[in-house]
Amino acid sequence: SQQGEEDPQALSIQEGENATMNCSYKTSINNLQWYRQNSGRGLVHLILIRSNEREKHSGRLRVTLDTSKKSSSLLITASRAADTASYFCATDFLSGNTPLVFGKGTRLSVIA
Amino acid sequence: DAGVIQSPRHEVTEMGQEVTLRCKPISGHDYLFWYRQTMMRGLELLIYFNNNVPIDDSGMPEDRFSAKMPNASFSTLKIQPSEPRDSAVYFCASSLAKGLTEAFFGQGTRLTVV
Repeated sequence: SQQGEEDPQALSIQEGENATMNCSYKTSINNLQWYRQNSGRGLVHLILIRSNEREKHSGRLRVTLDTSKKSSSLLITASRAADTASYFCATDFLSGNTPLVFGKGTRLSVIA
Repeated sequence: DAGVIQSPRHEVTEMGQEVTLRCKPISGHDYLFWYRQTMMRGLELLIYFNNNVPIDDSGMPEDRFSAKMPNASFSTLKIQPSEPRDSAVYFCASSLAKGLTEAFFGQGTRLTVV
């Protein structure tokens, strides 16, 4: 399967701590995106990083991409209870006609 | 724009019945995707359209599933006959380009087949 895999599957932290989630994939990509899903809602786009970029920031979010290791990480700094959600990476593969392929997500719980 | 609009939000139906899920993509988006989400399998791509034309339906699980996009502002996903294992949340998403830009998701339709 070309599906990306997030790690860990679940993460529980205290408010104010940083949360790091990882994503690994198997084949070359054009770009990688991170999405967030609140319980019972649709996915919301957070950030897109292209294959020629190594790091990107957006507010409290920091995304890194290591194409040699075929992996990406999402860091949420100074987490808040409102950050509680599932986070997914989605990859756009170079080969084939397949659009975004999503992993199974990391479930983040931020405890106030 | 109101975003991607899906209806109904919840659907409960009996096994064997026909189910039709509806989606209105964001105006101007050329791509429309149907995904299915379950705990076991995560988010699976079922089918996607480009300019109303189905491009890849290899993710459609069986012939019981069919999807249409009669115009740029409307798509349907039909299951006939429905089975309990079809119970899942079905998402529609649209985007300007395939994978190069963000995808916008609807709120999903939670389908329960009893």
